[in-house]
Amino acid sequence: QKEVEQNSGPLSVPEGAIASLNCTYSDRGSQSFFWYRQYSGKSPELIMSIYSNGDKEDGRFTAQLNKASQYVSLLIRDSQPSDSATYLCAVGGGILTGGGNKLTFGTGTQLKVEL
Amino acid sequence: DAGVTQSPTHLIKTRGQQVTLRCSPISGHKSVSWYQQVLGQGPQFIFQYYEKEERGRGNFPDRFSARQFPNYSSELNVNALLLGDSALYLCASSLVFRGLAGAPSRTDTQYFGPGTRLTVL
Repeated sequence: QKEVEQNSGPLSVPEGAIASLNCTYSDRGSQSFFWYRQYSGKSPELIMSIYSNGDKEDGRFTAQLNKASQYVSLLIRDSQPSDSATYLCAVGGGILTGGGNKLTFGTGTQLKVEL
Repeated sequence: DAGVTQSPTHLIKTRGQQVTLRCSPISGHKSVSWYQQVLGQGPQFIFQYYEKEERGRGNFPDRFSARQFPNYSSELNVNALLLGDSALYLCASSLVFRGLAGAPSRTDTQYFGPGTRLTVL
C-alpha cells in the first residue's frame, strides 16, 4: 500500500466546471496536509494547507479533510484553462512517515481544463 | 521578497562523477529540506536540516549527503552518480522545524525553489 495515493488521471473538466481531486493516506498519525500545483517543467507551488477536519476555503479552492477516513480532497470551482497542471497531495507529521516537517507526496493527478 | 533560490538550474554529468547543488532559503527561514523528483512521480524526501543539524533523512544511499551553513543556506552532494540519479532536485524552506510533539502550523509549511534539473549520461 502506497503511503499517499492519488488517481494519476488525466482528469478532464470543461471550463467553468468544478474539478474534484482526491487523495488517501495510510499513516493515521499524519497531522498536516497540503495541495501543491505543478506545471510541466516547473517546481511545486503551494495551493492549500489544512490541519483539522472539515473544509477550508481560499478563493476558488476548497480543501476538505476527513481524518477518520484518511481522506483529503481539493475542489476547484470555476475551473480555468490556467488551472491545467498536476496537483500533488502531500502529507506530513505522521510518525510512520518520519514525523516533523517531512512531506510524503502522492504521484499527482493531472488536471486538464478544456475550452 | 525573494523566494527559495537554487543553483545551478540545469546540470549534465556523467556516471561516476560528483555533483553539488546549492539552495538559499526564504529570508528568515531556518529549515531546509531536499527532495528528488523523478519524471512522473511525486517528490521524494532526501534530507531536512534545521539550525545546521540534520533532522531527517529519507531512504537514500550514503552517496547522498548534505549540510546547512550558518546563514541557513544548504548544499546537497551526490557522489558516484548513477543514471538513476537523473531527476529534478528540489529544495524547500520553512520557517521552523516542528518535531513530532509540536502542533502543525503555517510556520512549518514548506515552500519550494525552482529546482535543479540533473541529467546523468
